[in-house]
Amino acid sequence: DAKTTQPNSMESNEEEPVHLPCNHSTISGTDYIHWYRQLPSQGPEYVIHGLTSNVNNRMASLAIAEDRKSSTLILHRATLRDAAVYYCIPRESGGSNYKLTFGKGTLLTVNP
Amino acid sequence: DAGITQSPRHKVTETGTPVTLRCHQTENHRYMYWYRQDPGHGLRLIHYSYGVKDTDKGEVSDGYSVSRSKTEDFLLTLESATSSQTSVYFCAISAGTSVTDTQYFGPGTRLTVL
Repeated sequence: DAKTTQPNSMESNEEEPVHLPCNHSTISGTDYIHWYRQLPSQGPEYVIHGLTSNVNNRMASLAIAEDRKSSTLILHRATLRDAAVYYCIPRESGGSNYKLTFGKGTLLTVNP
Repeated sequence: DAGITQSPRHKVTETGTPVTLRCHQTENHRYMYWYRQDPGHGLRLIHYSYGVKDTDKGEVSDGYSVSRSKTEDFLLTLESATSSQTSVYFCAISAGTSVTDTQYFGPGTRLTVL
């Protein structure tokens, strides 16, 4: 599995943008980058995924570096409900792709 | 929200007793998973199922067994609970296991083994 590095914690203010970085320098050319988040006392929930180009959905945007060694999850306007642990998870194409490998993630605190 | 329920949501039991956790889905997804979450370890896969009566081990399967007799239900059994199995258990489902498939998680069961 490709290894990831994320900051242990980050802090933001409500209604400001948040950029959550992830380094995944060992990723292979066909691995997708998935992001999940886990709100307090809840199960993880899917946020977004991408391969090479930037991706947007109603929750967030994902910016993937051209060399694919890093990516950034962007929350355009943080709300208190976005306070959670965010996990960056590479997923290998082919092979046994049944599990998600969760690291320690980034704990995002949103200040009112 | 994906239709996943877990029962019980909280359980306290004693060492040596059997415990069964239930995961129920209404999405008719083929794949179901059991993870455990402990401080300092993140989520780790215990067992998963790829169809009725088809199951396989994950990375931390010792001391656990699973069964899936219907598409919608996936049971996790601790035959003889130990204190090291105190954890939060999450069930997840997915339609497939391709690199773009999403896993949807249940609300979790907090198990305490005394």
